[in-house]
Amino acid sequence: QQQVKQSPQSLIVQKGGISIINCAYENTAFDYFPWYQQFPGKGPALLIAIRPDVSEKKEGRFTISFNKSAKQFSLHIMDSQPGDSATYFCAASPARAGNTPLVFGKGTRLSVIA
Amino acid sequence: ETGVTQTPRHLVMGMTNKKSLKCEQHLGHNAMYWYKQSAKKPLELMFVYNFKEQTENNSVPSRFSPECPNSSHLFLHLHTLQPEDSALYLCASSQDWEYNSPLHFGNGTRLTVT
Repeated sequence: QQQVKQSPQSLIVQKGGISIINCAYENTAFDYFPWYQQFPGKGPALLIAIRPDVSEKKEGRFTISFNKSAKQFSLHIMDSQPGDSATYFCAASPARAGNTPLVFGKGTRLSVIA
Repeated sequence: ETGVTQTPRHLVMGMTNKKSLKCEQHLGHNAMYWYKQSAKKPLELMFVYNFKEQTENNSVPSRFSPECPNSSHLFLHLHTLQPEDSALYLCASSQDWEYNSPLHFGNGTRLTVT
């Protein structure tokens, strides 16, 4: 119940296209859902996060869509660029982490080709 | 430049060696973390320190020994490691542990156990 299932494992998108990464969770206590971006040789960095009081959050070309009833959330990257090529991790936890730390998905390696 | 600095960047050690990983954060955060990142697996939380006190130990083998002398520094002491311990070890910090605040990761130490 602590898992976050992320798909696909890898993704190749043409420049200008839309990249979509999906995550699903089981724990209904989860109410904080961040996405982290990791470039080769670097540590992950927070990209965008959402709480379930909204169904969508947009920051520039990056949008999180959240479906509470389905217990799913997804990252959409509009107008994907080669500089977006990285590994993306979804994560989830209760807002008050306490003894329930952030649970990460396995990651999606995105390659944006020109 | 990241506010979380890890040294060394790469480490090769034999199974009988003793070595230490170092992490320093310049962000004024109160919580510090060690994560293990292996290929095709979710980020694994190893240890959490909040205000220098260890609050989480995720059943990590005793061959890994953390030390947090102050809220800015975190060490991971390694001894008699196994080849399966080869991975990227990431240090992170956050403003607090109890309420989710963004994790700031270092660039990691790539550990190879021979």
